[in-house]
Amino acid sequence: GAVVSQHPSWVICKSGTSVKIECRSLDFQATTMFWYRQFPKQSLMLMATSNEGSKATYEQGVEKDKFLINHASLTLSTLTVTSAHPEDSSFYICSARRGGTYYFSGANVLTFGAGSRLTVL
Amino acid sequence: GESVGLHLPTLSVQEGDNSIINCAYSNSASDYFIWYKQESGKGPQFIIDIRSNMDKRQGQRVTVLLNKTVKHLSLQIAATQPGDSAVYFCAEISTGNQFYFGTGTSLTVIP
Repeated sequence: GAVVSQHPSWVICKSGTSVKIECRSLDFQATTMFWYRQFPKQSLMLMATSNEGSKATYEQGVEKDKFLINHASLTLSTLTVTSAHPEDSSFYICSARRGGTYYFSGANVLTFGAGSRLTVL
Repeated sequence: GESVGLHLPTLSVQEGDNSIINCAYSNSASDYFIWYKQESGKGPQFIIDIRSNMDKRQGQRVTVLLNKTVKHLSLQIAATQPGDSAVYFCAEISTGNQFYFGTGTSLTVIP
């Protein structure tokens, strides 16, 4: 159980276009989803926390108008990189947390997607 | 929030040797800890967890040690194999269900 699917796994786009990345919890309801950005050989950088039905909470320095996050249902959150530029090229990862106490969850406390590599030309 | 552009510490070990990866945490309210493994180009995967009422937990070839006195967590990998090459990072979860991630360590296994 506790599978998170991320799509697409790799996307190449032209500068100025917008790209949407989906994060789905396949077999559980995710009360909270997180979006991260990762550059090669660097740590995960938390971009925002998204709770179903409410506005996402962005980390300091992350432009909310640039990185639009929608969490319309308990199984789907989307990240849209608007007007993408080459400097937005990165590896974007989502994770999902199921509701309830974590003491009984173990590996299911926080499940990560496989990541989406964005290359902006 | 997370640090921006933080380069990972690296650890190189010979195949067959044991590896020890360390993580320091800062929140005294953290009472649950998880180690994740992230292979290149993939999302992080759960390895092992430990609660704050324990100081040691063993899995298959992995052991996690928790020292609450000095707020230190370590992951020991026995008989390291090439397939263990990855980035490893710890996560601490507070009683308020807040997640905090460590920087991570890049492990390279030399055949």
